[in-house]
Amino acid sequence: DAGVTQSPTHLIKTRGQHVTLRCSPISGHKSVSWYQQVLGQGPQFIFQYYEKEERGRGNFPDRFSARQFPNYSSELNVNALLLGDSALYLCASSPDSYTEAFFGQGTRLTVV
Amino acid sequence: DQQVKQNSPSLSVQEGRISILNCDYTNSMFDYFLWYKKYPAEGPTFLISISSIKDKNEDGRFTVFLNKSAKHLSLHIVPSQPGDSAVYFCAAADQAGTALIFGKGTTLSVSS
Repeated sequence: DAGVTQSPTHLIKTRGQHVTLRCSPISGHKSVSWYQQVLGQGPQFIFQYYEKEERGRGNFPDRFSARQFPNYSSELNVNALLLGDSALYLCASSPDSYTEAFFGQGTRLTVV
Repeated sequence: DQQVKQNSPSLSVQEGRISILNCDYTNSMFDYFLWYKKYPAEGPTFLISISSIKDKNEDGRFTVFLNKSAKHLSLHIVPSQPGDSAVYFCAAADQAGTALIFGKGTTLSVSS
């Protein structure tokens, strides 16, 4: 079975631009979460979606938004990019709770 | 305010010896704890977890101990192998299971 897949793996954007990151969960998993990891820190929770509804949101500005589609895949959108948004963005899926979340390889976003 | 703390940024161990990674938490509402391992350019990989109703969970070379009164958990790896060299993250979830709260990680280096 395929694991959590994220696309793209790397991208470079300019300040002020918009970016969309994509995630496909493990087959059968209905929950998708997004995390941001900056260098030297642990992953920080951004969003959790379950059955297409937002279940939780971390301490991130409204420039960050996400959605989950009927096939349980998900998108993370970030508007008006700042240099500080440069980070590894991780997607995780789980069957229905956080007992064991499985992470993708991440998308490395660089804002210049 | 960090709710999950990994106070040792790094740990060096010889192959065959025991590795002990420590984690402290402050939120008494946390009731599920997980350890993840992360290699460079990869997403975190789930290792082992423990519920707050237990004080020990074992899986092969990996054992996690939970001391609720001290709000402390530890991961023991016996015997340590060079392939265990990675960054180890401790994470905690509350009963809602909405988000995982991660520590900053401990870099384990196992030398042969």
